[in-house]
Amino acid sequence: QKEVEQNSGPLSVPEGAIASLNCTYSDRGSQSFFWYRQYSGKSPELIMSIYSNGDKEDGRFTAQLNKASQYVSLLIRDSQPSDSATYLCAGLKGFGNEKLTFGTGTRLTIIP
Amino acid sequence: DAGVTQSPTHLIKTRGQQVTLRCSPKSGHDTVSWYQQALGQGPQFIFQYYEEEERQRGNFPDRFSGHQFPNYSSELNVNALLLGDSALYLCASSDGSNQPQHFGDGTRLSIL
Repeated sequence: QKEVEQNSGPLSVPEGAIASLNCTYSDRGSQSFFWYRQYSGKSPELIMSIYSNGDKEDGRFTAQLNKASQYVSLLIRDSQPSDSATYLCAGLKGFGNEKLTFGTGTRLTIIP
Repeated sequence: DAGVTQSPTHLIKTRGQQVTLRCSPKSGHDTVSWYQQALGQGPQFIFQYYEEEERQRGNFPDRFSGHQFPNYSSELNVNALLLGDSALYLCASSDGSNQPQHFGDGTRLSIL
């Protein structure tokens, strides 16, 4: 079982709709989670961090964390064509174990 | 405020050669991590440097080595290059434990 799993997609969503990206993790020692956006040929760009159970909103993005279910999600509201990218979910144990463990990413395409 | 900078952008080497990649962290960040990203995969943790010491290492052979300088910049060295070392090499910096890591633009290494 991979430590962080994501549906590789591709996920296609109409412009203006809500895109929902999901991630599960196996290591209960993971404390923090991060969502990165990666355009083709570019490096990952941090878009959301979440450290505790519940929802965290930033503009059109909402990250959700459920540690009991070992589940992380990212919602993108009012999807735009510029949101088309690969989204990487990463977990971090912290407190001395500082490596990010990534999923393989979900490719999202916003259809105009 | 300069972000994470990496050099060179692209590099072509042949099998058996050695390579050095360089990274300057974001201003105010003291921790540098290196990742390898193969096509279609999430980044894989190579190692992390803090206070000029290798603090943590991933599952990479000792052909991969690194260094951190007093100004927090870092180098990644790879010896005896193999075809399988072809990848995007990413440097990420952070400030403290359990903090988000910010990536540079990466170095794309091609082995012929």
